[in-house]
Amino acid sequence: EPEVTQTPSHQVTQMGQEVILRCVPISNHLYFYWYRQILGQKVEFLVSFYNNEISEKSEIFDDQFSVERPDGSNFTLKIRSTKLEDSAMYFCASSARDRGLADTQYFGPGTRLTVL
Amino acid sequence: SQQGEEDPQALSIQEGENATMNCSYKTSINNLQWYRQNSGRGLVHLILIRSNEREKHSGRLRVTLDTSKKSSSLLITASRAADTASYFCATVAPYNNDMRFGAGTRLTVKP
Repeated sequence: EPEVTQTPSHQVTQMGQEVILRCVPISNHLYFYWYRQILGQKVEFLVSFYNNEISEKSEIFDDQFSVERPDGSNFTLKIRSTKLEDSAMYFCASSARDRGLADTQYFGPGTRLTVL
Repeated sequence: SQQGEEDPQALSIQEGENATMNCSYKTSINNLQWYRQNSGRGLVHLILIRSNEREKHSGRLRVTLDTSKKSSSLLITASRAADTASYFCATVAPYNNDMRFGAGTRLTVKP
């Protein structure tokens, strides 16, 4: 069964450093998403991406964050200058259709980001 | 806010019993989805129910949606120890497709 994959599974970085989290969505999917979950808290929507541009973003997704689909398979989340409060599990998801059309989002296993 | 709020926060039952988790939300939705998360792992989609649907089944799972009460419930029948996980509801708004998760219910099924 196709699945969303994410690398690395765990990333440790120093405050102020840039990190890039990588995701490979399911191959025929068109919509891509990033979420984060701070330890013990809710899963929070960050951004959705379609047709090579951001379609929605939350208030969390500020100028420090960016997303890119550099080729036909990868979908990346970049944090330019990490802060301690960026420590969280970051989940990538993809769907064949936009979630507003009631389609299922498939989540990756997550990348645990630890900022020291 | 739109986001779902689950209750109870934690539920502990014996294997074979049924588990019921509830989700309430505050604004209109396009659909509501339930996810499962094993400790420290990713989210697994369980079931999606559209705003014009009242009930859906999938194996041992039964989901109901009452849009007049802005609530949903997830019933797991004949629970197993392997069902131990956190269960989240997520609501999708009709106007901006915003998807918001609740805080989750931590289910423990004792063998």
